[in-house]
Amino acid sequence: KAGVTQTPRYLIKTRGQQVTLSCSPISGHRSVSWYQQTPGQGLQFLFEYFSETQRNKGNFPGRFSGRQFSNSRSEMNVSTLELGDSALYLCASSFSGGLAQETQYFGPGTRLLVL
Amino acid sequence: EDQVTQSPEALRLQEGESSSLNCSYTVSGLRGLFWYRQDPGKGPEFLFTLYSAGEEKEKERLKATLTKKESFLHITAPKPEDSATYLCAVHSLYRDDKIIFGKGTRLHILP
Repeated sequence: KAGVTQTPRYLIKTRGQQVTLSCSPISGHRSVSWYQQTPGQGLQFLFEYFSETQRNKGNFPGRFSGRQFSNSRSEMNVSTLELGDSALYLCASSFSGGLAQETQYFGPGTRLLVL
Repeated sequence: EDQVTQSPEALRLQEGESSSLNCSYTVSGLRGLFWYRQDPGKGPEFLFTLYSAGEEKEKERLKATLTKKESFLHITAPKPEDSATYLCAVHSLYRDDKIIFGKGTRLHILP
């Protein structure tokens, strides 16, 4: 069974630009969560999507948005990039969501560098 | 405010030298506590979920335990391949449905 895949793996952008990251969950999984990981703050929850609907949201500004498609694939968009957005962005999938009830499987992440 | 604190930040052990990693948490109500392992350049890998105080789970050389205020990840006779960052996370029952991660413990096992 293929794992969670994320594209691209590496990305360099400049301040003010926008970026879109993609995540393909494990086949059959309907829940996708996004996280930001930085050395200073660690792993922080961004949002969770289930059946094309955002079910939960972390404490990030509105510049961070996402969506989920009918095939459960998800995209995350960051607009007006800031230097502090440089991070590893991780996607995790689970069968039906319910964060405590399900094992989440993480992808390898997309490393974003904002110059 | 819900909070997760892991200690120590980093730990170096000789192969075979057993030890424990700590995860202290303060949440309004615990829905679940998770342990993950993360290797450099990779996403976290799920290890355990614990739901209530007194619960214990084991996997190979790892054993996770849970009390009302903290969780321990015990590593028995570790091998160099156990070197990784170990992350703890909690899911609060009464907070918005999200997970809060600790900053992790970097474990290095010397051969």
